[in-house]
Amino acid sequence: QVQLQQWGAGLLKPSETLSLTCAVYGGAFSGHYWSWIRQPPGKGLEWIGEISHSGSANYNPSLKSRFTISLDTSKNQFSLRLASVTAADTAVYYCARKTQRDGVDYWGQGTLVTVSS
Amino acid sequence: DVVMTQSPLSLPVTLGQPASISCRSSQSLVHSNGNTYLNWFQQRPGQSPRRLIYKVSNRDSGVPDRFSGSGSGTDFTLKISRVEADDVGVYFCIQGTHWPYTFGQGTKLEIK
Repeated sequence: QVQLQQWGAGLLKPSETLSLTCAVYGGAFSGHYWSWIRQPPGKGLEWIGEISHSGSANYNPSLKSRFTISLDTSKNQFSLRLASVTAADTAVYYCARKTQRDGVDYWGQGTLVTVSS
Repeated sequence: DVVMTQSPLSLPVTLGQPASISCRSSQSLVHSNGNTYLNWFQQRPGQSPRRLIYKVSNRDSGVPDRFSGSGSGTDFTLKISRVEADDVGVYFCIQGTHWPYTFGQGTKLEIK
């Protein structure tokens, strides 16, 4: 059974850097796309971006490339980084797996990131 | 971006009765490879999303056959033949055909 377990700081001040990591257990790391999704309070889900197992990343153009997704294949982990956060970045952040064949399937448990002074 | 419009947003259902959720896209979700990447997820309170249906109508392993997906092009439906207490939660669709991938707003299913 594939499991995604994520962690990172939940409370940030404006201008600090958001950093989240997601570890993949129980499935192949190669051959899939590793994604980040967020949901601001009271709003809908928003796709941030994804990275292939080879390290090629795609980002949602609406987010103006503020995010950086990276991966560590030796640890079966991938990460999300966002510099200079503002209150508008307050959201629950999810990591997820996407297969080329069937689309998104497994999600992490979610991390609430709150940006407040 | 492709806009995914779900309805209804709130769905009170009596136990044992059927339920139906609609998801409409602002453009066709048929990919150039012929597949339609429309998936349905269930998110129970306090849990991460669980996939129920992939590529319109394929049920995931372990998903009860009470759940079914149908549709084509821009118009898709998730049906629950007989609602059980365990079905309470938010249901949402996601399109994976056009970048960036986009989500429906979510439908909150509750028991009457």
